[in-house]
Amino acid sequence: EPEVTQTPSHQVTQMGQEVILRCVPISNHLYFYWYRQILGQKVEFLVSFYNNEISEKSEIFDDQFSVERPDGSNFTLKIRSTKLEDSAMYFCASSGVSHSYEQYFGPGTRLTVT
Amino acid sequence: SQQGEEDPQALSIQEGENATMNCSYKTSINNLQWYRQNSGRGLVHLILIRSNEREKHSGRLRVTLDTSKKSSSLLITASRAADTASYFCATPHNQGGKLIFGQGTELSVKP
Repeated sequence: EPEVTQTPSHQVTQMGQEVILRCVPISNHLYFYWYRQILGQKVEFLVSFYNNEISEKSEIFDDQFSVERPDGSNFTLKIRSTKLEDSAMYFCASSGVSHSYEQYFGPGTRLTVT
Repeated sequence: SQQGEEDPQALSIQEGENATMNCSYKTSINNLQWYRQNSGRGLVHLILIRSNEREKHSGRLRVTLDTSKKSSSLLITASRAADTASYFCATPHNQGGKLIFGQGTELSVKP
């Protein structure tokens, strides 16, 4: 069964450093998302991406964040200058031909900023 | 707020018992989805119920939707220890379909 994959599973970085989180969505899906979950808190929406551009972004998704789909298969989230409060699990998700369909989530990348 | 809110926040039952979790939401919806999250892991889609459906079954899962009350319930029958996880309802919003999650129900099934 097709699945969303994410790499790395765990990333440790120092404050101020740039990180890139990578995702490979399900191949025929058209809608892509990033969510994050701070330890012990609920899952929060960051950004949605469709037709090679951002559809919607949350207040969390400030100028330090960017997304890209560089080659038609990978979907990346870049954090330019990490802060301690960026420590969280980051989940990539994709959905099929309609944004109303169920979303399939990857296993997540645990980002630890020290 | 557009988010789903689940109750109870935590539920502890014995294996074999049924578990019922409830979710309320505030805006009109196209569909409502339930997800499971094992501790420290990703979210697994369980079931989607459309706004014109009242009940849906998938294996040991039964979901109901009452759009007049803006509420949904997830019933897990004959629970197993492996059902121990957090369960979230979520609804897609806006053009991009972002999911709004509630705090979830933490289910513990004791063997």
